[in-house]
Amino acid sequence: GDSVTQMEGPVTLSEEAFLTINCTYTATGYPSLFWYVQYPGEGLQLLLKATKADDKGSNKGFEATYRKETTSFHLEKGSVQVSDSAVYFCALTSANFGNEKLTFGTGTRLTIIP
Amino acid sequence: EAGVAQSPRYKIIEKRQSVAFWCNPISGHATLYWYQQILGQGPKLLIQFQNNGVVDDSQLPKDRFSAERLKGVDSTLKIQPAKLEDSAVYLCASYSGGAGAATSEQFFGPGTRLTVL
Repeated sequence: GDSVTQMEGPVTLSEEAFLTINCTYTATGYPSLFWYVQYPGEGLQLLLKATKADDKGSNKGFEATYRKETTSFHLEKGSVQVSDSAVYFCALTSANFGNEKLTFGTGTRLTIIP
Repeated sequence: EAGVAQSPRYKIIEKRQSVAFWCNPISGHATLYWYQQILGQGPKLLIQFQNNGVVDDSQLPKDRFSAERLKGVDSTLKIQPAKLEDSAVYLCASYSGGAGAATSEQFFGPGTRLTVL
């Protein structure tokens, strides 16, 4: 079945540091890939997505590229801010339009220190 | 537009008691999901509705969990009787897209945190 393996946390960085959170997946067919973020006290929010190989999703300075050859979708940001502190989830669906169920990784808690 | 609404936000019960959660999806969203998020894990799908019909309930523990969406809008998730391992956050989500849609995104509610003692 589908699965997502995500870099274990927690991750603590200083403000303005470079961020990478690794994510690899196993899926049949051609999944769509997502990063969701959960800020303290809030619900899950879509951060970015990519629906086919070599697509790059980007939002709020975060980027992730759909790499079919390595089955990866690593999240990166060049300069993190304190406001980026949150839990980040990598996820996939097996249908292009996301109507199928989301399969999530375990989440990575990110803390940014001023 | 208003987001996905859930209530209650928190619930504490004793094991073997029953509990119910309510979800109101974003207006016009035909697809509704219930996920269970155990502490330290990612959310796991329990059940998916399309309008008032069940699309996928393969991960729903049907001996104790039930869910309904009678009029294709609001939904309730019930646990009866609860076990200690049911302690989790229960998330409701609704889906904005469809075949040919320009965007596709599941919108999540704030969740209900259940503690079973």
